[in-house]
Amino acid sequence: DVKVTQSSRYLVKRTGEKVFLECVQDMDHENMFWYRQDPGLGLRLIYFSYDVKMKEKGDIPEGYSVSREKKERFSLILESASTNQTSMYLCASSPDRGITGNTIYFGEGSWLTVV
Amino acid sequence: DQQVKQNSPSLSVQEGRISILNCDYTNSMFDYFLWYKKYPAEGPTFLISISSIKDKNEDGRFTVFLNKSAKHLSLHIVPSQPGDSAVYFCAASGWSGGGADGLTFGKGTHLIIQP
Repeated sequence: DVKVTQSSRYLVKRTGEKVFLECVQDMDHENMFWYRQDPGLGLRLIYFSYDVKMKEKGDIPEGYSVSREKKERFSLILESASTNQTSMYLCASSPDRGITGNTIYFGEGSWLTVV
Repeated sequence: DQQVKQNSPSLSVQEGRISILNCDYTNSMFDYFLWYKKYPAEGPTFLISISSIKDKNEDGRFTVFLNKSAKHLSLHIVPSQPGDSAVYFCAASGWSGGGADGLTFGKGTHLIIQP
């Protein structure tokens, strides 16, 4: 079974703090993603990476950065947390896209509250 | 502009009956569609998918139908069970030809199965 592990399930941070959300996958997947989920807005893509040291902006990258130094690990960084970044953050991974399409596997989520 | 739309935020169905969740998309480049199920405080789990070369895919109680001309897909759950109560996300991906594609998600439909 695919395992995507997000190290922190629940965090409370202060406005202006730097926040790191860590994600590790154990299936040697090429692609990794960070989404956030907000009520009424669904899942929105923040950043994704298709290879080590590669990153691509998603739909809502502002206020975030990412790091992928190793294939299995993808970190989301909030340089200066703000209250509008209070959300559930979901990490995901997927193998290279095949003819059957792209199935993404998600971690359990990290609830971040910025006060 | 929303490319994947789930127009029903919630749906209530009696246990044992059929649940039908609908999804519309606007981007004709989408060629792979997925449904995810999400319980509160957990990450989404992959449920079923369909490639654009098919119009139906079945897996146990779950069937997904795709109508490409109408840019519409639906998920049928028969019979509905209490454990099916969750938020269901429709997602789509299109082959851009250059690496990973993040999925584009709808906003979700909260399915409530009533005893």
